[in-house]
Amino acid sequence: EAGVAQSPRYKIIEKRQSVAFWCNPISGHATLYWYQQILGQGPKLLIQFQNNGVVDDSQLPKDRFSAERLKGVDSTLKIQPAKLEDSAVYLCASSLAQQAGDEKLFFGSGTQLSVL
Amino acid sequence: GDSVTQMEGPVTLSEEAFLTINCTYTATGYPSLFWYVQYPGEGLQLLLKATKADDKGSNKGFEATYRKETTSFHLEKGSVQVSDSAVYFCALGGGGNKLTFGTGTQLKVEL
Repeated sequence: EAGVAQSPRYKIIEKRQSVAFWCNPISGHATLYWYQQILGQGPKLLIQFQNNGVVDDSQLPKDRFSAERLKGVDSTLKIQPAKLEDSAVYLCASSLAQQAGDEKLFFGSGTQLSVL
Repeated sequence: GDSVTQMEGPVTLSEEAFLTINCTYTATGYPSLFWYVQYPGEGLQLLLKATKADDKGSNKGFEATYRKETTSFHLEKGSVQVSDSAVYFCALGGGGNKLTFGTGTQLKVEL
């Protein structure tokens, strides 16, 4: 089966510019996640969608980050304006809607963002 | 809040050596525990998991046992190969399919 698709693979921007990332989850996966992975750290959850509704966005910096999943399939994550500390790999993951304790997530290869 | 602590890397081993990567956690309740692996240029993928105390997860020769008394989930493999070179992440599962990850441990296996 096709995996989680993300684009672009790399992005370099200057601070205060805007950027958007795209994710297409595995077909049939109701739950979609965006994680931020800063170099040397583990992935940190930014936002979780269940179909087209937000389940958890408690760690999303809402003054500059936004995300949407309008039709409950693919999703975009936007940063506007970007700061130097936003340099990271942005990972998208998806999973079937399952009970807690069975959290097998499928990850995309990520988008590496460098903010100069 | 929930947290995961992993041993720092990089860990460098010769092929066929024994591997242990330590992982301890702090959590309320009885979370599920996971090891994810990230090969160069690829996304994270689930390596193994355990959902309750004393469970042993295993896959591809790797094993980890859920130890509630020591709040640990150490990853082991009896004989590593060059192809095992990757970054390994310990993770804790909370409600709603949330995962809390450790910082990752890079493993380098040399001939």
